[in-house]
Amino acid sequence: NAGVTQTPKFQVLKTGQSMTLQCAQDMNHEYMSWYRQDPGMGLRLIHYSVGAGITDQGEVPNGYNVSRSTTEDFPLRLLSAAPSQTSVYFCASSYGTGRDLTEAFFGQGTRLTVV
Amino acid sequence: GNSVTQMEGPVTLSEEAFLTINCTYTATGYPSLFWYVQYPGEGLQLLLKATKADDKGSNKGFEATYRKETTSFHLEKGSVQVSDSAVYFCALISSGSARQLTFGSGTQLTVLP
Repeated sequence: NAGVTQTPKFQVLKTGQSMTLQCAQDMNHEYMSWYRQDPGMGLRLIHYSVGAGITDQGEVPNGYNVSRSTTEDFPLRLLSAAPSQTSVYFCASSYGTGRDLTEAFFGQGTRLTVV
Repeated sequence: GNSVTQMEGPVTLSEEAFLTINCTYTATGYPSLFWYVQYPGEGLQLLLKATKADDKGSNKGFEATYRKETTSFHLEKGSVQVSDSAVYFCALISSGSARQLTFGSGTQLTVLP
C-alpha cells in the first residue's frame, strides 16, 4: 500500500498564480482532509470531505477550493496565490471520524512558497 | 469550540533523560485524544491514542493517560534516545460539528548523545 500520496513535494509560485495540490489514497477511506502547518500554530484544517461528492469548510478555508469526485482523490486548489499561503500542506485520510476515528494517515506534505 | 494547548518548545534533553510534554484540552462532548509524531521531512504518524477517561495509550516506550478531571494528556517517556528527536503534536477529535482532528501547536524535541 502506498497510503496517502501528495504531489508535488515542493512548489514555488508567484503571487496571483493558481495551482492544484494533489492528494490520493489507496486505503478506501471515506474521510479526507487538508491541513496547513505554520510555525507555532500546529496544523489547521482547511477543508474536509466525508465521502465522494461531499466537501465542507474547516477553520481556514479562504483562498482554497476542493472537490471530491472519487473516493481516492482529494485535490486542493489555490485560485490566486498570496504570500500568506506560504506554508506546508498536509493531506490526511481516515476510515472513520469523530468517536469512530481510529487513526488518520498523513501524506508527506507539500512545501509551498508564494513570492 | 475545541482547542489543544501544548507546552512551548523547543525541548532539548540528553540521551536517557526523562521526557514530559504537557498537553491540556477543551472540547465538547467526550473527545478521543492522540499524540502524533513528525520526524524531519516526513508527515505525521500516530504515536498513541486514548479514547476514554483513565485510558493509557502507549507505544515505543511513550505513554500518556487520559485525565478527564484535569483535561490533560501528558506525554512521557522514561529514557529518550537520539532517534526520538522530532516534533510531537497533541490532538483531539470529538463528536462536535467538524468531527475532524484539532491539533496543538507542536513541541520540538531534540535529544543529544
